[in-house]
Formats: sequence, structure tokens, C-alpha cells
Amino acid sequence: SAVISQKPSRDICQRGTSLTIQCQVDSQVTMMFWYRQQPGQSLTLIATANQGSEATYESGFVIDKFPISRPNLTFSTLTVSNMSPEDSSIYLCSGTGTSGNNEQFFGPGTRLTVL
Amino acid sequence: QKEVEQNSGPLSVPEGAIASLNCTYSDRGSQSFFWYRQYSGKSPELIMFIYSNGDKEDGRFTAQLNKASQYVSLLIRDSQPSDSATYLCAVGSYGKLTFGQGTILTVHP
Repeated sequence: SAVISQKPSRDICQRGTSLTIQCQVDSQVTMMFWYRQQPGQSLTLIATANQGSEATYESGFVIDKFPISRPNLTFSTLTVSNMSPEDSSIYLCSGTGTSGNNEQFFGPGTRLTVL
Repeated sequence: QKEVEQNSGPLSVPEGAIASLNCTYSDRGSQSFFWYRQYSGKSPELIMFIYSNGDKEDGRFTAQLNKASQYVSLLIRDSQPSDSATYLCAVGSYGKLTFGQGTILTVHP
């Protein structure tokens, strides 16, 4: 399985600012994703990070709010823009291994608190 | 709207018992089915995946899939206190996963 790291692991931010979260995978993955997990809730897919092109966003998520980059096969960033307290959540990146089974492996997550 | 529903919890079982976790899904085109375990404050950890109807066993864990009934389950035999966690059912379609709301399992000594 792929080993995925994220940074920062947590942050406390002020309303109206932006935070960029980095995700690094130790081996090649075919697909990379970003999820949000709000307190006490399950995971909601934000977008699929596409290498070298614009991310594919799920309903309810837009590029202006959550710009995503994936410059190569093993690295992606998610920016949470113009933050409000409602953006307080855990943000997780995941990658799909190359086994063909489509299983996703998750990073440790970034715990974001917006004041 | 693709939906994944898990049996409401929390579920409490005694140590050594069998824990049964259930999940139904709405999208008949779903191709792959996963069970994740999530400890408090940690990220989800893959336990098992299953693609074909029937049972798949891995150690103390057995996943069961019935595509006709749109139903997938996870059985944990000889439950241990270390199995206490939230269990997430995830359903895959074209590489993307839709997660259920999770079932909290507590295994008491």
C-alpha cells in the first residue's frame, strides 16, 4: 500500500485567510482525491486531483473555494480559500494504488480550525 | 444521488463475540465495495474490499456481498477490545468512493 503524508497536520486560521495543504505519496498512485470530514461525520469527496489538469469537483464544491493542483503523480495540494468557521474540518487526501483494485489509502489528515 | 446507508449504531458486543456490520447502497452500477476502520482522531484504514457476490475472508474478518439486494456486510469474529472503532462502508464507481455514515463498534471485555 502507498504511504501518504500530509502537512500541516493541524492549523488554526483566521476568518478570511487561506490555507494550502500538501499531500505527498511515497510511490506512484493512479488517482488522488481530497475529502472533507466534518466533526462526527463521514467522509465527503471534494474533488479528484488530475495530474497536470484541472481537478474534477463534486457537487457543492467549486474551484474558487478549493483550488487543487497535482503537478506530478505523487504530489497534490488543496487550498481552502477565504475561510469561514464552517470550513473547520479534517481534510484528507487519498491515493489509489496501482494494483487495479481501486482501493484508496488515506493520509493522516489535516485538522483545520477557523476562528 | 448515490447513497450508502449503514446500520445505525452504536453497536456493543462482548469480547469474543461476532460483530455484524451492515451496509446498503442505492447505485446498482457500483463496482467495488470496501470496509474501512477509523479510530478516533485517526484517518480511515482499509480492512477489506470485495467485488464479487459471496463471501471473502481475511483472518477474523469476512465481507459478504449481495449485488441483487444491494447489500454488503462485514463480520468480525472473536471480537477484541482493539476492534473498537468506527467502521465505514464505502462503495466504488469508476474509481470514486461514496462513504456511509459509519457505525461505531464497542467491544467490551
